[in-house]
Amino acid sequence: NAGVTQTPKFQVLKTGQSMTLQCAQDMNHEYMSWYRQDPGMGLRLIHYSVGAGITDQGEVPNGYNVSRSTTEDFPLRLLSAAPSQTSVYFCASSTEGDTGAYEQYFGPGTRLTVT
Amino acid sequence: GDSVTQMEGPVTLSEEAFLTINCTYTATGYPSLFWYVQYPGEGLQLLLKATKADDKGSNKGFEATYRKETTSFHLEKGSVQVSDSAVYFCALEGNTGKLIFGQGTTLQVKP
Repeated sequence: NAGVTQTPKFQVLKTGQSMTLQCAQDMNHEYMSWYRQDPGMGLRLIHYSVGAGITDQGEVPNGYNVSRSTTEDFPLRLLSAAPSQTSVYFCASSTEGDTGAYEQYFGPGTRLTVT
Repeated sequence: GDSVTQMEGPVTLSEEAFLTINCTYTATGYPSLFWYVQYPGEGLQLLLKATKADDKGSNKGFEATYRKETTSFHLEKGSVQVSDSAVYFCALEGNTGKLIFGQGTTLQVKP
């Protein structure tokens, strides 16, 4: 299993440009999430999905769109990049473990800089 | 709302020293609690977890006990190594199934 994969690893955008961060998992997990990591703030949830065709907003959804057309893929779209979106973005997938808790598996991250 | 608070870092220790990273939480109900570790340039990995009061999670010499009476889940290790240098995140899974993270604590272990 490749686990959770993310592309690209690094990206530089100019203000106003759009792009899509890709995320895929091969573990057949129903639950997928996008987080951003900023210094001193831990990880903050952007959007999440509990299954194909179902998405919902997290703590910081403004400026981002998501869709979930398949179980495997969960792309994150930035429609008009802003410098405030400079961050490291992590995708995660999870399923209910044997103890009832959802264990999240993280991708390696995408480091995005918006100039 | 639910929240997690971790001790401020960075924590700098010598090899073989005892480690404690404090974590306290606020939540309704009985959340599951986790510690994740992030090595430089990598994503987060689950280190250990506990799903009910008085449970002790353990992995790679690290331990944490779910203390409902003090709403705490402190991470401990008896003898740290240079390879333990990383950022450690405490997290809880609330009743919505979403993970809420603390701000992270950087650990630096010097030889």
